Amino acid sequence: AQRVTQPEKLLSVFKGAPVELKCNYSYSGSPELFWYVQYSRQRLQLLLRHISRESIKGFTADLNKGETSFHLKKPFAQEEDSAMYYCAPNFGNEKLTFGTGTRLTIIP
Amino acid sequence: NAGVTQTPKFRILKIGQSMTLQCTQDMNHNYMYWYRQDPGMGLKLIYYSVGAGITDKGEVPNGYNVSRSTTEDFPLRLELAAPSQTSVYFCASEPHGAKNIQYFGAGTRLSVL
Repeated sequence: AQRVTQPEKLLSVFKGAPVELKCNYSYSGSPELFWYVQYSRQRLQLLLRHISRESIKGFTADLNKGETSFHLKKPFAQEEDSAMYYCAPNFGNEKLTFGTGTRLTIIP
Repeated sequence: NAGVTQTPKFRILKIGQSMTLQCTQDMNHNYMYWYRQDPGMGLKLIYYSVGAGITDKGEVPNGYNVSRSTTEDFPLRLELAAPSQTSVYFCASEPHGAKNIQYFGAGTRLSVL
């Protein structure tokens, strides 16, 4: 069955420390993977997609097909990174499947 | 540029009542989506539309109906509200050629009591 898992509901990190938000998936094919973010009092919005291999706001995410993971990473956390983060794969049916989300809190 | 606009922001319904959640977008996007998000869960797709006059079921369509008479509007109808439909509802739109890059509304928080 196709499934996406974000194992951490809550994650607290000190400012300046590295951040890693985990995303694992179950799928026999090659998914397209996205990270969406919702900052406080803002709308859900796209952060980055794996196909672009881009760094957005210092965040990167690498698709690891062997481990079926797409973890989101940032080397030095900033206070403005506090938000709700959703991993959202497309399992080949053109639709996004959203994970349950991780609430990231950056401690000053 | 308003983007995706959802109304109302909040609503309380009694069991068995009906209502329509409104969604409109001014970006001329072909694709539109309705999701629901229950506490502690991810977004679940209710219905989607690839253009005016075309709609299709998502993962959790039971108890809902949609229509897409124009590119701009994609209302979601609840005919007989049930407590299980208590949730936060999000509408999103997506431009043609930008697969899965979705623009979300602010959400409608619905309680059915």
